[in-house]
Amino acid sequence: EDQVTQSPEALRLQEGESSSLNCSYTVSGLRGLFWYRQDPGKGPEFLFTLYSAGEEKEKERLKATLTKKESFLHITAPKPEDSATYLCAVYPGGYNKLIFGAGTRLAVHP
Amino acid sequence: KAGVTQTPRYLIKTRGQQVTLSCSPISGHRSVSWYQQTPGQGLQFLFEYFSETQRNKGNFPGRFSGRQFSNSRSEMNVSTLELGDSALYLCASGPGQGNEKLFFGSGTQLSVL
Repeated sequence: EDQVTQSPEALRLQEGESSSLNCSYTVSGLRGLFWYRQDPGKGPEFLFTLYSAGEEKEKERLKATLTKKESFLHITAPKPEDSATYLCAVYPGGYNKLIFGAGTRLAVHP
Repeated sequence: KAGVTQTPRYLIKTRGQQVTLSCSPISGHRSVSWYQQTPGQGLQFLFEYFSETQRNKGNFPGRFSGRQFSNSRSEMNVSTLELGDSALYLCASGPGQGNEKLFFGSGTQLSVL
């Protein structure tokens, strides 16, 4: 069964304290792994797409990496505005049917 | 470019009623997907439409249905509402090539009393 597991469920960081979020997946044939950010009361906002093991993408303080079994979202020197829920999702196949993980709630305190 | 627009933003219904939610995708996007988000189950895929045809469907009962119009706007209908249908319903649009990044609306928060 296609499955996405994210850890930790919640993470509290001090401003400037770097960390990583994990997304492990089990799919029959990966056709893309996506990271989204979701703020309270809003829909998910696209961050990154990764398609093959070894691929990396960066945007400001965020860096996403992909292996054959998992993906990491590295947050370097986070700021309070990075506080949000980070969602990982995969395409196992089928048009635009994303399988989402439960998300990691990140809180960054000044 | 305008984003994905969902209406209404909030809805309160009672058990047994039916509800229709609306979604206008980004201009030029022909694919519209619907997702249900709850605290317990997270984000779950409902169905996807492309050029007025349903191409993919998730594991939801037949009470959940949808359609897409020729201008790519989509509606989702839930009949005979149950308490467990309370959720944030999200619409996402994309070009329709498959396995592409999706752009989400802010959702419709449905409360069933």
